[in-house]
Amino acid sequence: GQQLNQSPQSMFIQEGEDVSMNCTSSSIFNTWLWYKQDPGEGPVLLIALYKAGELTSNGRLTAQFGITRKDSFLNISASIPSDVGIYFCAGQVGFGNEKLTFGTGTRLTIIP
Amino acid sequence: SAVISQKPSRDICQRGTSLTIQCQVDSQVTMMFWYRQQPGQSLTLIATANQGSEATYESGFVIDKFPISRPNLTFSTLTVSNMSPEDSSIYLCSGGSAGAAYGYTFGSGTRLTVV
Repeated sequence: GQQLNQSPQSMFIQEGEDVSMNCTSSSIFNTWLWYKQDPGEGPVLLIALYKAGELTSNGRLTAQFGITRKDSFLNISASIPSDVGIYFCAGQVGFGNEKLTFGTGTRLTIIP
Repeated sequence: SAVISQKPSRDICQRGTSLTIQCQVDSQVTMMFWYRQQPGQSLTLIATANQGSEATYESGFVIDKFPISRPNLTFSTLTVSNMSPEDSSIYLCSGGSAGAAYGYTFGSGTRLTVV
């Protein structure tokens, strides 16, 4: 099935640094979601975006719904050790098609 | 948002056997989904579990291999049939209500190893 392309695939940063990652699609989605997955757990929702151009924050996390509806961005400010994990974007067409299409994932590692 | 419990959390199975995974939601949800996550990979949707009717399968997944039940709005099962080592993966259940602002919740997954 279709997957969304995320970049970068992995990141190695120092604690306190800001992080940026993005997600692109060849088709339009009407909802964008960002999830974080810790080892041995299922993904946990971080931010949901419902409108093109929307910018939404959740603590140190900020996400944007691209104006073309084909991309989304996630920023993490002042990273801390618990930010380590895999970040997935997910797109939803909506309007009766509720299933999610997941991105390829960005693995975040914090260097001590 | 809904809380999802999956069991078993992990299992090691012999090839040729079948395993049924259970997914219990603590509240009624309109949508339930089953995903597969192969080692180091993203999530791939297997099917949408439809309450009271046959599941809707994604391309590459068939009912004979992955039969799904959903008898009510809080419970679903996924069976992995006639298993082979290639079926070794994490299987995840997800649920929520259509149009909900909080997206879909996931269970912790079932880590399946086929030997």
